[in-house]
Amino acid sequence: AQRVTQPEKLLSVFKGAPVELKCNYSYSGSPELFWYVQYSRQRLQLLLRHISRESIKGFTADLNKGETSFHLKKPFAQEEDSAMYYCASKDYGGATNKLIFGTGTLLAVQP
Amino acid sequence: EPEVTQTPSHQVTQMGQEVILRCVPISNHLYFYWYRQILGQKVEFLVSFYNNEISEKSEIFDDQFSVERPDGSNFTLKIRSTKLEDSAMYFCASSSTRTTTGGDGYTFGSGTRLTVV
Repeated sequence: AQRVTQPEKLLSVFKGAPVELKCNYSYSGSPELFWYVQYSRQRLQLLLRHISRESIKGFTADLNKGETSFHLKKPFAQEEDSAMYYCASKDYGGATNKLIFGTGTLLAVQP
Repeated sequence: EPEVTQTPSHQVTQMGQEVILRCVPISNHLYFYWYRQILGQKVEFLVSFYNNEISEKSEIFDDQFSVERPDGSNFTLKIRSTKLEDSAMYFCASSSTRTTTGGDGYTFGSGTRLTVV
């Protein structure tokens, strides 16, 4: 079965430090991958999708097929980046358009 | 920016009671979904809905669950006889297309936290 793995439950960094939130996936083909962010008590918001190769709020994520990874990076963390981050993949195991999520990483940016 | 709206934000119910979780998807979206997240665990797909019928459901979505679009705007999730293990955050989502990355992709609501006591 497809899996999305986020090994870190919590990542604590100081403001201005680089951030890397890890995500690994299991899928032998070309996956569709996403990062979602959830600020305190708010909705899940799409942060990035790998096909668009865009940078949102300074975050980037590159698909590495060799390592089956899609790590989220930001060179200089800001306090407002503190949130729950979920990596997700399109689930190719069924007929419809659904996502498989990782367990999430809580990013805490200290002042 | 259009939003998916979920009500209530938090519901407490007694075991064995029926609950209905409500969602108002984005108005021009055609595909609707429910996900749930048990505390400390991952967000899991429950069901997808299109053209007034279920397109796909997970093994979690057993006979205790049902979905409905009663009036063309609301999209509801009903749990007939709640169990303690139904306690979770339930997320509604909608999309304009069948593809994950096409068009608007997915838009999630802010969730309903269901606590079964």
